[in-house]
Amino acid sequence: DIQMTQSPSSLSASVGDRVTITCRASQGITNDLGWYQQKPGKAPKRLIYAASSLQSGVPSRFSGSGSGTEFTLTISSLQPEDFATYYCLQYNSYPRTFGGGTKVEIK
Amino acid sequence: EVQLVESGGGLVQPGGSLRLSCAASGFTFSNYAMSWVRQAPGKGLEWVSSISNSGSNTYYADSVKGRFTPSRDSSKDTLFLQMNSLRAEDTAVYYCATHTAMADWGQGTLVTVSS
Repeated sequence: DIQMTQSPSSLSASVGDRVTITCRASQGITNDLGWYQQKPGKAPKRLIYAASSLQSGVPSRFSGSGSGTEFTLTISSLQPEDFATYYCLQYNSYPRTFGGGTKVEIK
Repeated sequence: EVQLVESGGGLVQPGGSLRLSCAASGFTFSNYAMSWVRQAPGKGLEWVSSISNSGSNTYYADSVKGRFTPSRDSSKDTLFLQMNSLRAEDTAVYYCATHTAMADWGQGTLVTVSS
């Protein structure tokens, strides 16, 4: 099974800050990675697919990069509505595996 | 617009069974694989199972293998998850999602396994 190690598990940042979240795969997954945002009591929402493609309707301040085993999600200028938990997902092979999540708190 | 609406959750005793449904609209259901993902209270996301567009191929997390079975009815654009031999650790919100890359998600349905 492919393990997805996500870091940090939580962070606190100010509005306007640049925020970076990392996911590391235990083996190469080419670019078969998605990033999700989940707000309390709501379903996850996909932000990024294929490691770096922005989902339609998602603000351009969100971006993804990486390939192989190292991936990053960047929020270029954090907004109050970005308070949420973020997850990565590898869909290169079964079983599908999620990262442990990063809770983003607004200072 | 893609819409997924789960139903069928509720309170069930350990060892019991439950069948979840996911009604799909806004896309050609028969063309797409589908998945189930769950989230235990206060925990992260866990992939549960996926089923191919034809229904001929199914995939399972080890934690549910032999107990859970996905199926689909393309005449009704509906995905199902039959859950048997339920355990307390199966307590979670269950989401259906499009593709095996979880593009779009339903709002979830809560399953509580408790005596």
